[in-house]
Amino acid sequence: SSELTQDPAVSVALGQTVRITCQGDSLRSYYASWYQQKPGQAPVLVIYGKNNRPSGIPDRFSGSSSGNTASLTITGAQAEDEADYYCNSRDSSGNLWVFGGGTKLTVL
Amino acid sequence: EVQLVESGGGLVQPGGSLRLSCAASGFTFSSYEMNWVRQAPGKGLEWVSYISSSGSTIYYADSVKGRFTISRDNAKNSLYLQMNSLRAEDTAVYYCARLGYSSSSGDPNMDVWGKGTTVTVSS
Repeated sequence: SSELTQDPAVSVALGQTVRITCQGDSLRSYYASWYQQKPGQAPVLVIYGKNNRPSGIPDRFSGSSSGNTASLTITGAQAEDEADYYCNSRDSSGNLWVFGGGTKLTVL
Repeated sequence: EVQLVESGGGLVQPGGSLRLSCAASGFTFSSYEMNWVRQAPGKGLEWVSYISSSGSTIYYADSVKGRFTISRDNAKNSLYLQMNSLRAEDTAVYYCARLGYSSSSGDPNMDVWGKGTTVTVSS
């Protein structure tokens, strides 16, 4: 199996842009998905594939990928975006799944 | 409404067993691959197990291999996780999650999640 590495915590001023990154060898072969989780709630899919948003997810959320790094960008962060964010991808074998350790986003 | 509802969690002693269930509604369950994902208190998400739509292909995380068994009953729109030889480190909220595929790109993603059921392993 492989690992996905995320920064434990990131902060952003209200209305500014923030990028949350995820690194791992498997990301050279597979796109990451991104999940938002607020306290006491189940995770919610926000980005998947090259840069796709499920219906209902604001367009301030976007995704990108380069080499072994996937990124989630929030352009114009809102107070309601304060949450934990997790990346997820298949592992290098293609059979198993792995999550990053999560990034706690604080909106100042 | 597309929905997943987990049940079966509770308090169990180390070495004990528990069977979790996940009831699906609002979509054609038999067409979807499914996963179990868990989250220990104050920790991140951990993928636990995967099962194909027919049940013929199954994978487990190394941390549960040989102790947990995933299964499904498509006639009952239900997913299961049989957990044996439970350890304190299995204490977590357990989520079932549907594996969807983008209609445009084919990219996989866990697009629907239940609210989770809590498993506590303690004496």
